[in-house]
Amino acid sequence: DTAVSQTPKYLVTQMGNDKSIKCEQNLGHDTMYWYKQDSKKFLKIMFSYNNKELIINETVPNRFSPKSPDKAHLNLHINSLELGDSAVYFCASSLNTDTQYFGPGTRLTVL
Amino acid sequence: GENVEQHPSTLSVQEGDSAVIKCTYSDSASNYFPWYKQELGKGPQLIIDIRSNVGEKKDQRIAVTLNKTAKHFSLHITETQPEDSAVYFCAASAGTSNAGNMLTFGGGTRLMVKP
Repeated sequence: DTAVSQTPKYLVTQMGNDKSIKCEQNLGHDTMYWYKQDSKKFLKIMFSYNNKELIINETVPNRFSPKSPDKAHLNLHINSLELGDSAVYFCASSLNTDTQYFGPGTRLTVL
Repeated sequence: GENVEQHPSTLSVQEGDSAVIKCTYSDSASNYFPWYKQELGKGPQLIIDIRSNVGEKKDQRIAVTLNKTAKHFSLHITETQPEDSAVYFCAASAGTSNAGNMLTFGGGTRLMVKP
């Protein structure tokens, strides 16, 4: 009965490739998020999305784009991967401004 | 935008002692302050949160205090146990958008509880 799930758990790829990370929540939440955790464990919001609004952190390169096929899913697409994109990416969800529940993370390694 | 500072970055205590982690925030519009615990290889897990209409909240061995005037909030863990060892993150949000809460996190505190 996983609440927020992400696939894959690990992703190793070459520079310049395009990749996607999938996120699904079964909590009935209406808002989903993507966070990036760097090698020093610093957590930074990338996107916040529901059917009303998409908010993009201004520091996120436009190579990153969220795609939501429905309320339960928010996938992260990354084009032209760079070495600096290596990090752990976390998906989260909430009911409006209530508690955010995080997924287990996807460790992306760009070679 | 919001800036959240967290101290200390590492904290080592003996089992049974108390641990205190402190955070300061910069945006006076922030009104939601959660604390997350992250174990190795896992996602952050909410342990307690507080909203700006209260000054203190307690849940068993964990308590959070908020001082809106000084713009700081603290996590208190009493009777620490080895399983409390993890990285703890504070966060703040103004929750003013239509798209949920954009949380700004502190830099994290690695807590080690020695048996």
